[in-house]
Amino acid sequence: DIQMTQSPSSLSASVGDRVTITCRASQGVSNYLAWFQQKPGKAPKSLIYAASSLQSGVPSKFSGSGSGTDFILTISSLQPEDFATYYCQQYNSFPYTFGQGTKLEIK
Amino acid sequence: EVQLVESGGALVQPGRSLRLSCAASGFNFGDYGMNWVRQVPGKGLEWVSSISWNSGTIVYADSVRGRFSTSRDNARNSLYLHMNSLRAEDTALYYCTKAYCSTTRCYSDFWGQGTLVTVSS
Repeated sequence: DIQMTQSPSSLSASVGDRVTITCRASQGVSNYLAWFQQKPGKAPKSLIYAASSLQSGVPSKFSGSGSGTDFILTISSLQPEDFATYYCQQYNSFPYTFGQGTKLEIK
Repeated sequence: EVQLVESGGALVQPGRSLRLSCAASGFNFGDYGMNWVRQVPGKGLEWVSSISWNSGTIVYADSVRGRFSTSRDNARNSLYLHMNSLRAEDTALYYCTKAYCSTTRCYSDFWGQGTLVTVSS
């Protein structure tokens, strides 16, 4: 199975900040990497697919990059509604696997 | 608007069975693969199963293979997860997700709100 490791596991930031979250795969997944946002008590929401493609309706403040084993999610100009938990997932091969999540908290 | 509504979650004893359903609307259900993903409350996400648009390909996580069965009824716009021999570690919120595919690789572009399965005596 492909292991997905996110860093950091938690992150404190202020409104207006730009933050990056890293996701590393234990073996190459090409660009078959998705990012999801989950707020407390809510279902996950798709943000990014194919490593860098923005899901329809997602603001351009979210961006993704990377290929192979190393990926980055960048969120610019943080707003209160962006504080949530973020997950990466590889869908290159079964079993599809998720990272452990990164909790983004307000400083 | 895409809508996925799961149902069927319940408190069930270990070893018993349960069937989850997912009612889909707002898209041509029969054209898309679907997934089940679960989440232990307060923990991370775990992919459970994927089914292709025509049920020709169905894949399971090792943790559920042989106990769970995924099916769909395209005429009823519905997805199902048949869960047998339930264990305490199957306790989770189960999400139904719509798959968006590039070639044969598919990710979850829309998620339902989930249905809670609790396995306990």
